[in-house]
Amino acid sequence: KAGVTQTPRYLIKTRGQQVTLSCSPISGHRSVSWYQQTPGQGLQFLFEYFSETQRNKGNFPGRFSGRQFSNSRSEMNVSTLELGDSALYLCASRPQGAGVDTQYFGPGTRLTVL
Amino acid sequence: AQSVAQPEDQVNVAEGNPLTVKCTYSVSGNPYLFWYVQYPNRGLQFLLKYITGDNLVKGSYGFEAEFNKSQTSFHLKKPSALVSDSALYFCAVREGRGGYQKVTFGTGTKLQVIP
Repeated sequence: KAGVTQTPRYLIKTRGQQVTLSCSPISGHRSVSWYQQTPGQGLQFLFEYFSETQRNKGNFPGRFSGRQFSNSRSEMNVSTLELGDSALYLCASRPQGAGVDTQYFGPGTRLTVL
Repeated sequence: AQSVAQPEDQVNVAEGNPLTVKCTYSVSGNPYLFWYVQYPNRGLQFLLKYITGDNLVKGSYGFEAEFNKSQTSFHLKKPSALVSDSALYFCAVREGRGGYQKVTFGTGTKLQVIP
């Protein structure tokens, strides 16, 4: 079974632009979570989607948004980029009914904001 | 809110020596604690978890963690470090229940095993 895939792997944007990141979960997984990883803050939870609905949300400004499609693929959008948005963005998927300890992480998208 | 703290940004240990990566937690109720590892250019991988029961939890790659309620700690340990253990380690705690679970991670500890 293929793992969680994220595209693109690397992205360079400038301040004020917007960006869309994509995550394809493991086949059959309906839950997708997004995390932001930075050296000083570690991993911070952004949001989780299940069956096209946002089920859980972290403490990020409204510039960060996401959605999930009927095939469980998810996208994350960041508008009006700031330098502090430079980070590794990870997504993770898990099977329905499984605990968060069984979530599988993708390799991440490295976003650099100049 | 539940939280975990990793007091060391980096831990250096010689190959073959025992290693410890520290984690303390602050939770209300029973803690559900995890350790994850992130190898360079690879995704995060689950190592082990503590839910209830034995205070010594065994996980993948020879790692184990010791849960200490009185010290609110959940330190990651390995009897003999390998160079290949060099990676970024995250302690984490589960919040919420059922379908509304989420994971709160610590800031991470970089483990460097020196040959």
